[in-house]
Amino acid sequence: GESVGLHLPTLSVQEGDNSIINCAYSNSASDYFIWYKQESGKGPQFIIDIRSNMDKRQGQRVTVLLNKTVKHLSLQIAATQPGDSAVYFCAENGSSNTGKLIFGQGTTLQVKP
Amino acid sequence: DTGVSQDPRHKITKRGQNVTFRCDPISEHNRLYWYRQTLGQGPEFLTYFQNEAQLEKSRLLSDRFSAERPKGSFSTLEIQRTEQGDSAMYLCASSLAGLQGEQFFGPGTRLTVL
Repeated sequence: GESVGLHLPTLSVQEGDNSIINCAYSNSASDYFIWYKQESGKGPQFIIDIRSNMDKRQGQRVTVLLNKTVKHLSLQIAATQPGDSAVYFCAENGSSNTGKLIFGQGTTLQVKP
Repeated sequence: DTGVSQDPRHKITKRGQNVTFRCDPISEHNRLYWYRQTLGQGPEFLTYFQNEAQLEKSRLLSDRFSAERPKGSFSTLEIQRTEQGDSAMYLCASSLAGLQGEQFFGPGTRLTVL
């Protein structure tokens, strides 16, 4: 079936270090990918997205890398801050003619002061 | 606040009762989505609307679930004859139509079925 998976359920980093959160997706037809951050008791919050015609996209302190050959997506957070502590989800659209997103299970990022 | 809003934020009900949730999307967004999220899992797609038309439904949306968006603005999600397995966070999101882009999520409605 369709699924988006994350390699690690929990990632613990020191404040100021860079964080890398990985995601493996299974649907070759997906052409849109997105990273969300979810804090406890809140809805997912957009971080960054990327389309399949790109392999890298940068935002403020975040970079998303897409490797379509191995169906791998990663989120890099530079100079991780305590406010970055949350659950991070990657999601894919499954195909270009659907509006839905397919989410993975999430990686919990813990930032140690 | 011009984001997506959901009401109620929390709902506790007894098994067998009907519940209805409301979602108000960002005003200029014509797509509206419903997802369900259980503890420790990512959101699971339920259904989505473009304006008032329901364009896609997940097989997770059993016949006890119904969603409407009568005027293409707010949407309701009703669950009839609730079961304990329906306990979850119900999330609503909205976006612009066209080339797929960011979906903006609301805070969710936490449903607990006793």
